[in-house]
Amino acid sequence: SAVISQKPSRDICQRGTSLTIQCQVDSQVTMMFWYRQQPGQSLTLIATANQGSEATYESGFVIDKFPISRPNLTFSTLTVSNMSPEDSSIYLCSVVGGLGETQYFGPGTRLLVL
Amino acid sequence: GNSVTQMEGPVTLSEEAFLTINCTYTATGYPSLFWYVQYPGEGLQLLLKATKADDKGSNKGFEATYRKETTSFHLEKGSVQVSDPAVYFCALRADGAGSYQLTFGKGTKLSVIP
Repeated sequence: SAVISQKPSRDICQRGTSLTIQCQVDSQVTMMFWYRQQPGQSLTLIATANQGSEATYESGFVIDKFPISRPNLTFSTLTVSNMSPEDSSIYLCSVVGGLGETQYFGPGTRLLVL
Repeated sequence: GNSVTQMEGPVTLSEEAFLTINCTYTATGYPSLFWYVQYPGEGLQLLLKATKADDKGSNKGFEATYRKETTSFHLEKGSVQVSDPAVYFCALRADGAGSYQLTFGKGTKLSVIP
């Protein structure tokens, strides 16, 4: 299984600022994703991070709000821009590993926006 | 579109009681099915999976059988332990090459009384 780390693990931010979350994997993976888990809710896919090209965003998520980088096969960043309290969530990085059957998740970044 | 429906929580059981968390899904073809667990303060971990009809996934005493005829993947454990409290998520991945996106249920919170 892939070992995934995220930084920061948690943060408290002011309204209107931006935060960049890093995701590092211990092996090269083809697919990387970013999910959001709002308080008490399930996980919602934000986007697929594509290596060497623009991310693919799900309905309701836009690049201006959630810019994503994926410079190589082991690393990705998600930026939450111009934050508001509604952005308070856990943000999770995930990857598809092995034979492509299983998706593994990072520990998450707990974000609180005041 | 694809969807996953889980039984509403929270579920509170006495230690060593039998656990069932119901999960049904809507999808075309033969999706892969997963149970993920999120322990308090931690990220999402894969608990078990099944990739074709009649497969049984099992791990840590938990089991779930892929029932195509009832479109279900109910999670069971014969004897819950005090280490089992967590939120349990049922998820599916759509059938088809190159399909990696997971669709999650809303999660079921389990509490265990010693």
